[in-house]
Amino acid sequence: QKEVEQNSGPLSVPEGAIASLNCTYSDQGSQSFFWYRQYSGKSPELIMFIYSNGDKEDGRFTAQLNKASQYVSLLIRDSQPSDSATYLCAVDRGSTLGRLYFGRGTQLTVWP
Amino acid sequence: EAGVTQFPSHSVIEKGQTVTLRCDPISGHDNLYWYRRVMGKEIKFLLHFVKESKQDESGMPNNRFLAERTGGTYSTLKVQPAELEDSGVYFCASSQSPGNSPLHFGNGTRLTVT
Repeated sequence: QKEVEQNSGPLSVPEGAIASLNCTYSDQGSQSFFWYRQYSGKSPELIMFIYSNGDKEDGRFTAQLNKASQYVSLLIRDSQPSDSATYLCAVDRGSTLGRLYFGRGTQLTVWP
Repeated sequence: EAGVTQFPSHSVIEKGQTVTLRCDPISGHDNLYWYRRVMGKEIKFLLHFVKESKQDESGMPNNRFLAERTGGTYSTLKVQPAELEDSGVYFCASSQSPGNSPLHFGNGTRLTVT
């Protein structure tokens, strides 16, 4: 079983729609959860992180965490073509001093 | 503030040759990490430095890989001798404190071993 699983997509949504990206993780002790956005040939860029159960909102982005279900998601509201990228879910187990476990990423395309 | 910089951006070498990758973390970041993405796979941890000390090198694939961080500033990752399966993108990341502060990644070095 993989540490972190994501639907690889591709996910395609029209401009203005809500994009929903999902991630599950295997280690129940995981404590910190991160969403990175990566444009082709560029570095992964942190867009959201969440530590507690529930929702965390930042602008058009909402991260949702359900530790009981070992599930974390990212919602992008009012999607823009510039949001087209690969979104990486990463998990920090808490005992590993910042070592992250990544999913393979979900490729998102927002079409105008 | 300058970000994490990596050099070179691309490297093509033949099997059996040696390659050295360099990473300059964000100034003041004591924690430096190396990660690797092999084609079709997820990004995977290689090792973690705290200043000049190796905190965790459990992700290093074998003894052909050697990482150093002399003086606790920039880091190098040497692959000697390179094998075909070493091809991939090598990312460096840094953070101020582990666990509580997010990792900042460089653009990566794309290594191709032919």
